[in-house]
Amino acid sequence: GAGVSQSPSNKVTEKGKDVELRCDPISGHTALYWYRQSLGQGLEFLIYFQGNSAPDKSGLPSDRFSAERTGGSVSTLTIQRTQQEDSAVYLCASSLGVSETQYFGPGTRLLVL
Amino acid sequence: GQQLNQSPQSMFIQEGEDVSMNCTSSSIFNTWLWYKQEPGEGPVLLIALYKAGELTSNGRLTAQFGITRKDSFLNISASIPSDVGIYFCAGQWKGAQKLVFGQGTRLTINP
Repeated sequence: GAGVSQSPSNKVTEKGKDVELRCDPISGHTALYWYRQSLGQGLEFLIYFQGNSAPDKSGLPSDRFSAERTGGSVSTLTIQRTQQEDSAVYLCASSLGVSETQYFGPGTRLLVL
Repeated sequence: GQQLNQSPQSMFIQEGEDVSMNCTSSSIFNTWLWYKQEPGEGPVLLIALYKAGELTSNGRLTAQFGITRKDSFLNISASIPSDVGIYFCAGQWKGAQKLVFGQGTRLTINP
């Protein structure tokens, strides 16, 4: 079946602009996660959803970052007033339920000029 | 954010050699995971470990959950060209959903 998909695959934006990153989880997966991967680094947790609720958003770096999930499916990560330090790969993962294996999408590569 | 200490950062080996990498943490984890990431892709789960002392194999890969619950290692035997990539360890605390990742080990193989 289809895996986790993310769009766009690449995004170049100017400093100060807002961006929206989309994640389509595996069908039937109730949990959805966002991670950020800076160049040459490991993944850093941002937020996770169980259904449409976000029990843990402790990893969001600032109030410029927000995320929502609708219909227990698609999620959007929004970064407002982007800064150059926001440049990274943003990875989404989903799992069948809590504490189940997390399956990752290919990521969105964001470059802020 | 908190990360695990993963070493080595990179390895350059000959095809056929065995590989070993490890992760340590100041925290006790309930679960240890090993992922592989190839260029342009997201990480793919290789091995999951759930009990202290557990030793698990997946083909040529073997991983162990340290007895102190603060470390784990991954071994790859008889490396082949398709083993090239970045290997990440990840830990998960009991009751938590997020994964805490190491910095990765970049594996390069000379044929």
